[in-house]
Amino acid sequence: DAGVIQSPRHEVTEMGQEVTLRCKPISGHDYLFWYRQTMMRGLELLIYFNNNVPIDDSGMPEDRFSAKMPNASFSTLKIQPSEPRDSAVYFCASSYSGGGRPQHFGDGTRLSIL
Amino acid sequence: GENVEQHPSTLSVQEGDSAVIKCTYSDSASNYFPWYKQELGKGPQLIIDIRSNVGEKKDQRIAVTLNKTAKHFSLHITETQPEDSAVYFCAASNENSGGSNYKLTFGKGTLLTVNP
Repeated sequence: DAGVIQSPRHEVTEMGQEVTLRCKPISGHDYLFWYRQTMMRGLELLIYFNNNVPIDDSGMPEDRFSAKMPNASFSTLKIQPSEPRDSAVYFCASSYSGGGRPQHFGDGTRLSIL
Repeated sequence: GENVEQHPSTLSVQEGDSAVIKCTYSDSASNYFPWYKQELGKGPQLIIDIRSNVGEKKDQRIAVTLNKTAKHFSLHITETQPEDSAVYFCAASNENSGGSNYKLTFGKGTLLTVNP
């Protein structure tokens, strides 16, 4: 079975540009999570959705960050405008509430803001 | 909110030796404790998890123990192999907290190196 798919795998852009990260969760999973990983702060939960509805966005650092889930098979995390301190690896994960609830992670997007 | 502390931050062992990673948590309501392994360039992958109704769980060379009274849990890897080298994360959540019951709080990770 296909796992969580994230794109792009790497993104390098200049400060001030808009960045869009994409995620396709595992088919049938009803929870989707966005995380950010840095050396200083480790793995931080940014936002999560249940049945395409945002449940908790308390981890979103600033208004520059936004996330959407228009349907059960696609989500985006957008940063506008981007800043160098946004450089990190961003992970998407999904889980199925009826199946013991382990979260399955994608391989991440490594984002570098110059 | 929940706070998870993980130790050590780095661990180096010889192939065949055992490795132990320890975590403590602050929220006594937490009842689900997964462990993830992250290899270079990959996302974290679940390797084992435990719920608060049991004190120990084993899966081949990997075991996890939980002490709810002391609020700590540990990962034990026996007969380590070079392919066990990775970063390991512990996490905790409260599965009964309504809308936030899927919110995992992660430790900062342990870099395990298994030397041949």
